[in-house]
Amino acid sequence: SAVISQKPSRDICQRGTSLTIQCQVDSQVTMMFWYRQQPGQSLTLIATANQGSEATYESGFVIDKFPISRPNLTFSTLTVSNMSPEDSSIYLCSVRAGQGDTGELFFGEGSRLTVL
Amino acid sequence: GQNIDQPTEMTATEGAIVQINCTYQTSGFNGLFWYQQHAGEAPTFLSYNVLDGLEEKGRFSSFLSRSKGYSYLLLKELQMKDSASYLCAPWDSNYQLIWGAGTKLIIKP
Repeated sequence: SAVISQKPSRDICQRGTSLTIQCQVDSQVTMMFWYRQQPGQSLTLIATANQGSEATYESGFVIDKFPISRPNLTFSTLTVSNMSPEDSSIYLCSVRAGQGDTGELFFGEGSRLTVL
Repeated sequence: GQNIDQPTEMTATEGAIVQINCTYQTSGFNGLFWYQQHAGEAPTFLSYNVLDGLEEKGRFSSFLSRSKGYSYLLLKELQMKDSASYLCAPWDSNYQLIWGAGTKLIIKP
């Protein structure tokens, strides 16, 4: 298993500002995943953060809007840049249990952002 | 394309049994997960099926039929705390999780 700490847990932000979400894992992991879940919607993968290389973004998400850092094997940040009300969502950090690509996902508590 | 189909909402009575169905279409298949998500919280892992058949884990069981692209989650002896959304998520050939919108389960006394 993995214990994941995310912060902030929630925030209210003004349009046009940026916010950085931090994710700390209690063990070393190769890949960390950033998801977004808009109200009543399914989880949507934003990007995969790999230590020592650029993050891999999914279709519809770009680095300028969602820059990611991965300075070491236990920590990552996701920045939501130039926010608009459409960015109001829960942002979730997750990691896989086990080795390689297999194993279930463990999630952080989520960061609930409201953009006014 | 890739698609997950689950009922949007179900209602059941405390102490009863409920079955939540999931049909899926994916590019390849490497197993299927069920997650539970309480309102305002992160999803938590419930079960994983990669072979056909039933996996039992306490009050929760999960079934898979790969040939039919079908899975279900069976919850027995329902408790009020089981009120949550249940997410079906198959793995495609690239080990990408494909998430459905989930089934909101409402438990009534």
